[in-house]
Amino acid sequence: QVQLVQSGAEVKKPGASVRVSCKASGYTFTSYYMHWVRQAPGQGLEWMGLINPSGGSTSYAEKFQGRVTMTRDTSTSTVYMELSSLRSEDTAVYYCATPFSGREGAFDIWGQGTMVTVSS
Amino acid sequence: SYVLIQPPSVSVAPGETARITCGGNNIGSKSVHWYQQKPGQAPVLVIYYDTARPSGIPERFSGSNSGDTATLTISRVEAGDEADYYCQLWDSSRDHWVFGGGTKLTVL
Repeated sequence: QVQLVQSGAEVKKPGASVRVSCKASGYTFTSYYMHWVRQAPGQGLEWMGLINPSGGSTSYAEKFQGRVTMTRDTSTSTVYMELSSLRSEDTAVYYCATPFSGREGAFDIWGQGTMVTVSS
Repeated sequence: SYVLIQPPSVSVAPGETARITCGGNNIGSKSVHWYQQKPGQAPVLVIYYDTARPSGIPERFSGSNSGDTATLTISRVEAGDEADYYCQLWDSSRDHWVFGGGTKLTVL
Protein backbone atom coordinates (compact mmCIF):
# COMPACT_ATOMS: atom_id res chain seq x y z
CA GLN A 1 0.00 0.00 0.00
CA VAL A 2 0.98 3.63 -0.36
CA GLN A 3 3.15 4.75 2.52
CA LEU A 4 5.85 7.14 3.57
CA VAL A 5 8.30 5.88 6.17
CA GLN A 6 10.54 8.38 7.90
CA SER A 7 13.82 8.00 9.73
CA GLY A 8 14.04 7.84 13.51
CA ALA A 9 14.23 10.49 16.18
CA GLU A 10 17.26 12.74 16.39
CA VAL A 11 18.90 14.75 19.17
CA LYS A 12 21.17 17.56 18.05
CA LYS A 13 23.13 20.36 19.65
CA PRO A 14 22.52 24.00 18.74
CA GLY A 15 24.40 24.96 15.60
CA ALA A 16 24.44 21.43 14.21
CA SER A 17 22.57 20.10 11.19
CA VAL A 18 20.02 17.32 10.92
CA ARG A 19 18.95 15.22 7.95
CA VAL A 20 15.59 13.47 7.95
CA SER A 21 14.67 10.89 5.34
CA CYS A 22 11.32 9.87 3.92
CA LYS A 23 11.06 6.65 1.90
CA ALA A 24 8.09 6.27 -0.41
CA SER A 25 6.51 3.00 -1.49
CA GLY A 26 3.38 1.78 -3.21
CA TYR A 27 3.34 4.40 -5.97
CA THR A 28 5.53 5.91 -8.68
CA PHE A 29 7.94 8.04 -6.68
CA THR A 30 8.78 10.48 -9.45
CA SER A 31 5.15 11.25 -10.29
CA TYR A 32 4.24 13.24 -7.18
CA TYR A 33 5.75 16.16 -5.33
CA MET A 34 6.85 15.82 -1.71
CA HIS A 35 6.31 18.46 0.96
CA TRP A 36 7.84 18.88 4.39
CA VAL A 37 5.80 20.19 7.31
CA ARG A 38 6.87 20.63 10.91
CA GLN A 39 5.05 20.91 14.22
CA ALA A 40 6.65 22.30 17.36
CA PRO A 41 5.47 20.81 20.67
CA GLY A 42 1.90 21.93 21.37
CA GLN A 43 1.85 24.10 18.25
CA GLY A 44 0.29 24.02 14.81
CA LEU A 45 1.48 22.83 11.42
CA GLU A 46 4.07 24.84 9.50
CA TRP A 47 4.90 24.32 5.83
CA MET A 48 8.64 24.22 5.10
CA GLY A 49 8.94 23.52 1.40
CA LEU A 50 8.62 20.97 -1.36
CA ILE A 51 10.67 19.02 -3.86
CA ASN A 52 9.83 17.59 -7.24
CA PRO A 53 11.22 14.05 -7.08
CA SER A 54 11.31 13.90 -10.87
CA GLY A 55 13.74 16.74 -11.59
CA GLY A 56 14.82 17.66 -8.08
CA SER A 57 13.56 21.26 -8.23
CA THR A 58 12.65 22.77 -4.89
CA SER A 59 10.67 25.62 -3.37
CA TYR A 60 11.22 26.69 0.23
CA ALA A 61 9.24 28.81 2.65
CA GLU A 62 10.91 32.16 3.13
CA LYS A 63 11.42 31.44 6.82
CA PHE A 64 13.73 28.53 6.03
CA GLN A 65 15.54 29.90 2.98
CA GLY A 66 19.27 29.47 3.42
CA ARG A 67 18.91 26.86 6.18
CA VAL A 68 16.93 24.06 4.53
CA THR A 69 17.93 21.75 1.69
CA MET A 70 15.64 19.13 0.17
CA THR A 71 17.06 16.42 -2.03
CA ARG A 72 15.97 13.10 -3.43
CA ASP A 73 17.40 9.72 -4.43
CA THR A 74 15.29 8.18 -7.16
CA SER A 75 17.12 4.85 -6.89
CA THR A 76 15.71 4.34 -3.40
CA SER A 77 12.52 6.46 -3.69
CA THR A 78 13.70 8.56 -0.79
CA VAL A 79 13.58 12.29 -0.16
CA TYR A 80 15.74 14.06 2.37
CA MET A 81 15.29 17.26 4.33
CA GLU A 82 18.38 18.82 5.89
CA LEU A 83 18.09 21.74 8.29
CA SER A 84 21.25 23.53 9.36
CA SER A 85 22.25 25.98 12.10
CA LEU A 86 19.79 24.35 14.45
CA ARG A 87 18.41 26.27 17.41
CA SER A 88 16.10 25.28 20.23
CA GLU A 89 13.09 26.65 18.30
CA ASP A 90 13.66 23.95 15.67
CA THR A 91 12.64 21.28 18.16
CA ALA A 92 9.64 19.76 16.45
CA VAL A 93 8.12 16.77 14.71
CA TYR A 94 8.97 16.86 11.01
CA TYR A 95 6.59 15.28 8.50
CA CYS A 96 6.84 14.50 4.82
CA ALA A 97 3.58 14.49 2.87
CA THR A 98 2.58 14.00 -0.74
CA PRO A 99 -0.30 15.40 -2.81
CA PHE A 100 -1.76 12.92 -5.27
CA SER A 101 -4.06 15.40 -6.96
CA GLY A 102 -1.31 17.64 -8.26
CA ARG A 103 1.36 20.03 -7.11
CA GLU A 104 -1.09 22.44 -5.47
CA GLY A 105 -3.37 19.71 -4.14
CA ALA A 106 -4.13 18.49 -0.65
CA PHE A 107 -1.60 16.37 1.21
CA ASP A 108 -3.11 12.91 0.85
CA ILE A 109 -0.45 10.78 2.48
CA TRP A 110 1.76 11.68 5.43
CA GLY A 111 4.79 10.04 6.95
CA GLN A 112 4.68 9.03 10.59
CA GLY A 113 6.80 11.99 11.63
CA THR A 114 10.34 12.36 12.96
CA MET A 115 11.02 14.04 16.29
CA VAL A 116 14.02 16.35 16.22
CA THR A 117 15.20 17.69 19.56
CA VAL A 118 17.71 20.52 19.70
CA SER A 119 19.32 20.79 23.10
CA SER A 120 22.70 21.56 24.55
CA SER B 1 1.49 36.78 3.63
CA TYR B 2 -1.89 35.09 3.59
CA VAL B 3 -3.27 34.34 7.05
CA LEU B 4 -5.87 31.74 8.02
CA ILE B 5 -7.74 32.28 11.28
CA GLN B 6 -9.33 29.42 13.21
CA PRO B 7 -11.00 29.46 16.64
CA PRO B 8 -8.71 27.78 19.17
CA SER B 9 -11.44 25.51 20.45
CA VAL B 10 -14.92 24.23 19.72
CA SER B 11 -16.98 22.10 22.09
CA VAL B 12 -20.01 20.01 21.21
CA ALA B 13 -22.09 17.27 22.78
CA PRO B 14 -22.21 13.81 21.21
CA GLY B 15 -24.77 13.61 18.43
CA GLU B 16 -24.73 17.35 17.82
CA THR B 17 -23.20 19.22 14.91
CA ALA B 18 -19.77 20.84 15.10
CA ARG B 19 -18.81 23.70 12.82
CA ILE B 20 -15.17 24.75 12.61
CA THR B 21 -14.45 27.93 10.71
CA CYS B 22 -11.39 29.10 8.81
CA GLY B 23 -11.25 32.78 7.97
CA GLY B 24 -9.19 34.45 5.28
CA ASN B 25 -9.36 37.36 2.86
CA ASN B 26 -11.63 36.25 0.00
CA ILE B 27 -10.94 32.63 0.93
CA GLY B 28 -13.94 31.63 -1.19
CA SER B 29 -11.81 32.19 -4.28
CA LYS B 30 -9.29 29.60 -3.13
CA SER B 31 -9.37 25.84 -2.58
CA VAL B 32 -9.34 24.81 1.07
CA HIS B 33 -8.34 21.47 2.56
CA TRP B 34 -8.99 20.16 6.08
CA TYR B 35 -6.96 17.79 8.23
CA GLN B 36 -7.73 15.91 11.43
CA GLN B 37 -4.91 15.25 13.87
CA LYS B 38 -5.23 13.09 16.96
CA PRO B 39 -2.61 13.20 19.73
CA GLY B 40 0.65 11.58 18.76
CA GLN B 41 -0.47 10.91 15.19
CA ALA B 42 0.20 12.42 11.79
CA PRO B 43 -2.53 14.56 10.25
CA VAL B 44 -5.19 12.87 8.13
CA LEU B 45 -6.93 14.56 5.20
CA VAL B 46 -10.70 14.73 5.78
CA ILE B 47 -11.87 17.29 3.18
CA TYR B 48 -10.13 18.51 0.03
CA TYR B 49 -10.97 21.13 -2.56
CA ASP B 50 -13.55 22.69 -0.23
CA THR B 51 -16.11 19.91 -0.29
CA ALA B 52 -14.61 16.61 -1.50
CA ARG B 53 -14.25 13.72 0.92
CA PRO B 54 -11.44 11.13 0.59
CA SER B 55 -12.41 7.50 0.58
CA GLY B 56 -12.80 6.17 4.08
CA ILE B 57 -13.89 9.47 5.58
CA PRO B 58 -17.46 9.29 6.94
CA GLU B 59 -20.22 11.23 5.23
CA ARG B 60 -20.69 13.07 8.52
CA PHE B 61 -17.74 15.24 7.47
CA SER B 62 -18.54 18.00 4.99
CA GLY B 63 -17.08 21.31 3.91
CA SER B 64 -18.12 24.63 2.44
CA ASN B 65 -16.31 27.77 1.34
CA SER B 66 -17.67 31.19 0.50
CA GLY B 67 -16.72 34.81 0.95
CA ASP B 68 -14.19 35.15 3.75
CA THR B 69 -14.98 31.88 5.56
CA ALA B 70 -14.50 28.19 4.94
CA THR B 71 -16.29 25.78 7.24
CA LEU B 72 -15.77 22.16 8.23
CA THR B 73 -19.00 20.62 9.48
CA ILE B 74 -19.11 17.39 11.44
CA SER B 75 -22.62 16.01 11.88
CA ARG B 76 -23.68 13.57 14.60
CA VAL B 77 -20.40 14.08 16.41
CA GLU B 78 -18.87 11.04 18.08
CA ALA B 79 -16.28 10.75 20.82
CA GLY B 80 -13.77 9.54 18.24
CA ASP B 81 -14.00 12.86 16.40
CA GLU B 82 -12.20 14.60 19.25
CA ALA B 83 -9.02 15.96 17.68
CA ASP B 84 -7.27 19.04 16.34
CA TYR B 85 -8.47 20.24 12.95
CA TYR B 86 -6.44 22.37 10.54
CA CYS B 87 -7.45 24.20 7.39
CA GLN B 88 -4.92 24.68 4.61
CA LEU B 89 -4.62 26.27 1.21
CA TRP B 90 -2.14 27.12 -1.51
CA ASP B 91 -1.29 30.81 -1.67
CA SER B 92 -0.72 31.23 -5.39
CA SER B 93 0.63 34.77 -5.02
CA ARG B 94 3.67 33.46 -3.17
CA ASP B 95 3.58 29.80 -4.21
CA HIS B 96 3.43 28.86 -0.55
CA TRP B 97 1.20 26.55 1.41
CA VAL B 98 -0.53 27.98 4.48
CA PHE B 99 -2.10 26.29 7.51
CA GLY B 100 -4.57 27.75 9.94
CA GLY B 101 -3.61 27.77 13.60
CA GLY B 102 -5.77 24.73 14.35
CA THR B 103 -8.97 24.13 16.31
CA LYS B 104 -9.27 21.68 19.16
CA LEU B 105 -12.61 19.90 18.99
CA THR B 106 -13.80 18.69 22.37
CA VAL B 107 -16.69 16.24 22.62
CA LEU B 108 -18.43 16.90 25.90
